[in-house]
Amino acid sequence: DAKTTQPPSMDCAEGRAANLPCNHSTISGNEYVYWYRQIHSQGPQYIIHGLKNNETNEMASLIITEDRKSSTLILPHATLRDTAVYYCIVRAGGYQKVTFGTGTKLQVIP
Amino acid sequence: GAVVSQHPSRVICKSGTSVKIECRSLDFQATTMFWYRQFPKQSLMLMATSNEGSKATYEQGVEKDKFLINHASLTLSTLTVTSAHPEDSSFYICSASRQAVGTDTQYFGPGTRLTVL
Repeated sequence: DAKTTQPPSMDCAEGRAANLPCNHSTISGNEYVYWYRQIHSQGPQYIIHGLKNNETNEMASLIITEDRKSSTLILPHATLRDTAVYYCIVRAGGYQKVTFGTGTKLQVIP
Repeated sequence: GAVVSQHPSRVICKSGTSVKIECRSLDFQATTMFWYRQFPKQSLMLMATSNEGSKATYEQGVEKDKFLINHASLTLSTLTVTSAHPEDSSFYICSASRQAVGTDTQYFGPGTRLTVL
């Protein structure tokens, strides 16, 4: 699996958009970008994934650059409940394992 | 949809005893499940990949005789920590793969907190 680089921590004001960056410059053509988050003492929660097109669901938007070397997860209106560690992961499909890095600790501030 | 449960959520046991943790995919079938553990302030570490009806594949450094994995059905995988010791105290998390468009997505259980006294 390709390695990813994320900032260790970020702050975001409640109600504002949270933009979490991820670099994955060695991503292969068949690898997807996945985002998960882990709220303290809980299992990781799936957020979104994409291959090369931008994706949006009820939780977030995923913006992938045209060269696919980086992506940004956008939480449009952050709430206090969005405080968590966010993990950006790249992996091929086909039931391959997920390798977690250190993620970004997002703190939403009132 | 895509709910994964774990049981128990928390367990305390004496050193030398065995502990079984169940992982269930509640609303989908999962041919592949994964087991992770997480120590305080660390990221998740993959322990093993579990495929229904076959032997689990363990990551390097994980003792297969200590961490027994059984994936007997498409909705249930179990992890048994045998002869548990205090250093096995950790947060154990399972995940189950669900087929999605073009790829599969892993959904995680809520985790099991194991404390070995």
